[in-house]
Amino acid sequence: QLQLQESGPGLVQPSETLALTCTVSGASIVSRRYSWGWIRQPPGKGLEWIANIYYKGDIDYGPSLRSRVTLSVDTSKSQFSLKLRSVTAADTAMYYCARYIFGTSFDTWGQGTLVTVSS
Amino acid sequence: IQLTQSPSFLSASVGDRVTITCRASQGISSDLAWYQQRPGKAPKVLIYGASTLQSGVPSRFSGSRSGTEFTLTISTLQPEDFATYYCHQVKSYPISFGQGTRLEIK
Repeated sequence: QLQLQESGPGLVQPSETLALTCTVSGASIVSRRYSWGWIRQPPGKGLEWIANIYYKGDIDYGPSLRSRVTLSVDTSKSQFSLKLRSVTAADTAMYYCARYIFGTSFDTWGQGTLVTVSS
Repeated sequence: IQLTQSPSFLSASVGDRVTITCRASQGISSDLAWYQQRPGKAPKVLIYGASTLQSGVPSRFSGSRSGTEFTLTISTLQPEDFATYYCHQVKSYPISFGQGTRLEIK
């Protein structure tokens, strides 16, 4: 059974870089059918798509964070990662990783990790 | 592509039939999914392709499309259905979500 698990610091200082990793288990991260995505949700608000990465490293970005986001994938570890630079309090959110089936949906999600930006 | 959900908030009773609407700002064929998010939980896909039920999702959930208007219907509300629902277009990048519809117990 496919499972995704986010990991990373729960507290980040303003102006620093938020770094999260998603570990995939129960299925191969190497597939032409899927990409792997990050979605965030500020407290009490809706879902915002950040970006998706393919196992070969190609990336599709959401428009709002494109200039500050870096995604990477490590197929040997079945992991993909998110870095968000120059964070502010507005980046405080629950961050989810998820598997994206092309043209259908994010069919499997991690449980999410809350990241708070504060000094 | 902008997705506009209505209503933003809905109050209903167990046993009611409810409908949530999602309008796309341009044509997206049937490339739309619906998610349910319970408090403190990750979203869960209910429907994809506008009307295809995800495996394991109860049949009281259904989806339909008319042009650029999509609907999610819950035929007979159960206590566990009180949650927030999101539509999600997967037609083209950047993929996008609706703003959500919060369904609460009357």
